[in-house]
Amino acid sequence: LAKTTQPISMDSYEGQEVNITCSHNNIATNDYITWYQQFPSQGPRFIIQGYKTKVTNEVASLFIPADRKSSTLSLPRVSLSDTAVYYCLVGTGGFKTIFGAGTRLFVKA
Amino acid sequence: GAVVSQHPSWVICKSGTSVKIECRSLDFQATTMFWYRQFPKQSLMLMATSNEGSKATYEQGVEKDKFLINHASLTLSTLTVTSAHPEDSSFYICSARVLSLARTYEQYFGPGTRLTVT
Repeated sequence: LAKTTQPISMDSYEGQEVNITCSHNNIATNDYITWYQQFPSQGPRFIIQGYKTKVTNEVASLFIPADRKSSTLSLPRVSLSDTAVYYCLVGTGGFKTIFGAGTRLFVKA
Repeated sequence: GAVVSQHPSWVICKSGTSVKIECRSLDFQATTMFWYRQFPKQSLMLMATSNEGSKATYEQGVEKDKFLINHASLTLSTLTVTSAHPEDSSFYICSARVLSLARTYEQYFGPGTRLTVT
């Protein structure tokens, strides 16, 4: 299973774009990248998943460079309610998922 | 998206008793479910992989006789914490694996169960 490295914490202000980068140097050919969001005392919530280049949905964008050794989750115009822990996971999804430490995002008014 | 429920959402039990936590996939069938444990301010720790109709696969360091997992149907997996002790107090989260339209696997998580052992 590919190990991931993310910043421990990030601060932002409402209305700003937030980019959280995840390093996964030993990503395998069949692995894809998935990001989850978790609020206190709740289960993680799926945000976005991608394999290469760029993926966008209604809540976020995921940028993956050609070498796929890192990825960046982009949250446009964050609000206070985006304060949460964000996890980057790498794997096939069909096998067990190992969570790293995640990034604690704190959005200030 | 797919919905996973857990019951109960919180439970308090006395030391030495057993507690059962249910995990259900509400609108899909899940041949594989996962059980995690999360302590305050920490990440999720995978405990075991639950496969419908077969024995669960436990992660290293997780006592299979203490954390009994039963995946009796395609929509239900249960985790029983036997002879619970205060150190078992934690937030237990299950997830179910789904094959997406893009033919990739996604995991959907339940809301979690807060267990407090007194």
